[in-house]
Amino acid sequence: QQQVKQSPQSLIVQKGGISIINCAYENTAFDYFPWYQQFPGKGPALLIAIRPDVSEKKEGRFTISFNKSAKQFSLHIMDSQPGDSATYFCAAAYSGSARQLTFGSGTQLTVLP
Amino acid sequence: GAVVSQHPSRVICKSGTSVKIECRSLDFQATTMFWYRQFPKQSLMLMATSNEGSKATYEQGVEKDKFLINHASLTLSTLTVTSAHPEDSSFYICSAAKGGEKLFFGSGTQLSVL
Repeated sequence: QQQVKQSPQSLIVQKGGISIINCAYENTAFDYFPWYQQFPGKGPALLIAIRPDVSEKKEGRFTISFNKSAKQFSLHIMDSQPGDSATYFCAAAYSGSARQLTFGSGTQLTVLP
Repeated sequence: GAVVSQHPSRVICKSGTSVKIECRSLDFQATTMFWYRQFPKQSLMLMATSNEGSKATYEQGVEKDKFLINHASLTLSTLTVTSAHPEDSSFYICSAAKGGEKLFFGSGTQLSVL
C-alpha cells in the first residue's frame, strides 16, 4: 500500500515539446504529492506539489494534474528545454508521517536541442 | 527555498574506516531529518528518520550499528558509516522538513570505499 508507481522510466522530448510523467498510488491516506527534480550528483529539489483537494496546480512551465478517483497524478512540463534534462521523481506522503516521503522510481528526461 | 547543507560532497575512504556526513538546516530549525541512500539510476531509499534529542528510527534492513545517526541540535544531524566496506559505496542524501510539509534535500554525499 505504500507504493508509488512512476512511468515512463525514460523519456526523450524535442525542445519546445511537452513532457508528461505519470504516477499512481495505492494508499488513499496520502494527502501530499510533490515532484522533485534531480541533476546528476545533486540532491533532489522540490519542483511543485499538490494536495488532493485540487485537481490541478500550475507553476510556470510545470503543471501537476491530480485525479483522486483514479489515484493518479502527473507532471506536465510545457515548452521543454534542454536544461530540463534531469531525473524526475514523484512522491507521496500522509499526515502524521513527519513528511516521510514514498518516492516513485524516477523518470530520466532528455530534452533534445 | 530553505537551504539544507550537506558535507562533504564526496569522500573516498579505505575499507574498515568510519566516515561522518553532516546535514545542516541553515535557515530553519528541523526537529526531524531523514537520511536516504541512492544507487545509480535508482530511486531514493529511506534509511532512517532522525529526531532531535531522541534515537533515530531505522527502516527495516538498515543496520543501526553500521549507520549511526545523531541529531544533537535542531539544525544538525550526522550520519556515521562505521567500518565502511565497498558495498557501502553509494550516494547518501539527507533531508529536513520545514514547517508543515515541505521537505528540502541536501546536495548529497558520494561515498566511495576502496
